[in-house]
Amino acid sequence: NAGVTQTPKFRVLKTGQSMTLLCAQDMNHEYMYWYRQDPGMGLRLIHYSVGEGTTAKGEVPDGYNVSRLKKQNFLLGLESAAPSQTSVYFCASSWGDPRADTQYFGPGTRLTVL
Amino acid sequence: KNQVEQSPQSLIILEGKNCTLQCNYTVSPFSNLRWYKQDTGRGPVSLTIMTFSENTKSNGRYTATLDADTKQSSLHITASQLSDSASYICVVSAKDSSYKLIFGSGTRLLVRP
Repeated sequence: NAGVTQTPKFRVLKTGQSMTLLCAQDMNHEYMYWYRQDPGMGLRLIHYSVGEGTTAKGEVPDGYNVSRLKKQNFLLGLESAAPSQTSVYFCASSWGDPRADTQYFGPGTRLTVL
Repeated sequence: KNQVEQSPQSLIILEGKNCTLQCNYTVSPFSNLRWYKQDTGRGPVSLTIMTFSENTKSNGRYTATLDADTKQSSLHITASQLSDSASYICVVSAKDSSYKLIFGSGTRLLVRP
């Protein structure tokens, strides 16, 4: 099993450009999440999904959109990138409620917005 | 406000030595507490999880303790190895919010030969 994979691993964007980050998991998990990690701060939840076809806002959703058309995939979109979105993005998945079930994280995508 | 504070921010120790990392939280009502290890350039990996009723849990050379009364946890690493060099993140979940995990900013540990 590959676990949780993320594509791409690195990306540089110019302000105003758009892009989509892809997360895939092969563990048949129901829950999937997108986090961002910034220096000196804890991971912050952007959006999450509790099952195929569902999405919900997390702590810092502004400027991002997500879709979960297939159970194994969770896409994070930036419609008009801003320098404040420079960060490392992590996708995670869990079988169920993260209070009870362990989250498994992907390797991250390092995004720089110039 | 729910918060998780970790100390120290960074730590350097010699290989073979022990060390203890601290986590203080103000999350309420408390559900559970996890410690994650994050290697440079990788995603976090779960080490331990503890609920309100547990006060010690071990995973090999890693031992986590929890004092729910004082809202403190510690992660003790015994006989450190070079591969222990990583960031260690304390994560607390609250009973009243299914998705919201509160992440500490981590302690960066460097083990030197």
